[in-house]
Order: sequence, then C-alpha cells, then structure tokens
Amino acid sequence: ETGVTQTPRHLVMGMTNKKSLKCEQHLGHNAMYWYKQSAKKPLELMFVYSLEERVENNSVPSRFSPECPNSSHLFLHLHTLQPEDSALYLCASSQEIAGRSYNEQFFGPGTRLTVL
Amino acid sequence: EDQVTQSPEALRLQEGESSSLNCSYTVSGLRGLFWYRQDPGKGPEFLFTLYSAGEEKEKERLKATLTKKESFLHITAPKPEDSATYLCAVKESYGKLTFGQGTILTVHP
Repeated sequence: ETGVTQTPRHLVMGMTNKKSLKCEQHLGHNAMYWYKQSAKKPLELMFVYSLEERVENNSVPSRFSPECPNSSHLFLHLHTLQPEDSALYLCASSQEIAGRSYNEQFFGPGTRLTVL
Repeated sequence: EDQVTQSPEALRLQEGESSSLNCSYTVSGLRGLFWYRQDPGKGPEFLFTLYSAGEEKEKERLKATLTKKESFLHITAPKPEDSATYLCAVKESYGKLTFGQGTILTVHP
C-alpha cells in the first residue's frame, strides 16, 4: 500500500448504528487529519492529531469520536448520527517539522457515508 | 474571519483553450497557499504550494502564481483529462488549512 488509505470506501448506516472509519498513512508522516466534505461546501476540518496528540477539535459534535493509536493510524468512531452527517469523510496526513506549522497535506480517497 | 473565495464556480473550456482560475483570500497571517485537484469520488491530489508574493510554480500544463491577495492557476492548452475540481487552500498563522469551495473545470474535446 502507498500513500493514504481509507476503509470502508462506502458506508450506509442507520441513525442508531455505531460504526468506525479507518485511515492508514504509509508516508512516515507525524500528523493526521479528518475532514468532512459536503455537497456544495468547502472542506471542513474536523480533527487534527500531531504526534498522536489531538491538537484541534473544530467544534465537532460528540457523536464523532476520533482515535489515533499511533502515527500511522487514525479512526473516526460514529454513533447516533443524523442524516445531515451524510458526506465524504477524508483523511489526510502531513509531516510536521519542529518550529514550523503544518506542511502539505496528502489525502486519502475518502469514505462516502450515507446516514438513513 | 479568514476567507478563501474561488472563481468562477464552474468553467467550461474547449480543448486547447487556455484560461485561469482565481483564488482570493483574506488571512491574518499567510503561511502558505495550496492548490489541489479533486476528481469525482476521490480525495484531493496535491499540486502546488506557494509561500510568498511573486512566487510561481509549474507542472505540465498548470502554472500557479501568488500575489498578496490572490492566486491564479493558469491552464495552458488544456486537455479533457484536466477536467476536475480545483481546490485552493490557505494555511493560517497557526497552521490550519482553510479551503475554498472549488472551481469545477470541464474541458471538452
């Protein structure tokens, strides 16, 4: 595998389900991100992990719960979602260099989530 | 509030018809401007990073330029395979990326 991979690619869930999205980066980066992309809206940053520590939580509802067990893996745990949460969820990674802010981010293919 | 505005929202070109996409931004402290290409059903693909006014970068038929208030993505003699959504993003003073809404480019053969 190369780059950033995400599974599953498509997910349909009911509002009472619990599911998880998985992201893995094979680039040796030390920062990982979750974004939400809805139709006709710009990409919205949800969470940032740098060196496995959450450094940004962009006012995301608690029904979204991120987890970063190591620098290569990132999860987004989902529970009791709403239909308006249907979107493309994108994972990205970058190499953060000490003393500098985040550099170029490389994205995975995304998970297309549909909440019924 | 930091903002990124891309124009036009959609652009239709004939193959070989050169044009430019615009990205206007207002940020308190620009730490970089990024261009990405996104194909339908895929994640954004990194194209360029620009850091200072006057900087230019090229890749095949694409050339990105930066001023203090905007960036242009020039497409020279486009081909149908250049059809995609082009996204612009700015890196703010504390490192977060703010994206524009994108320009949907369609190149007809």
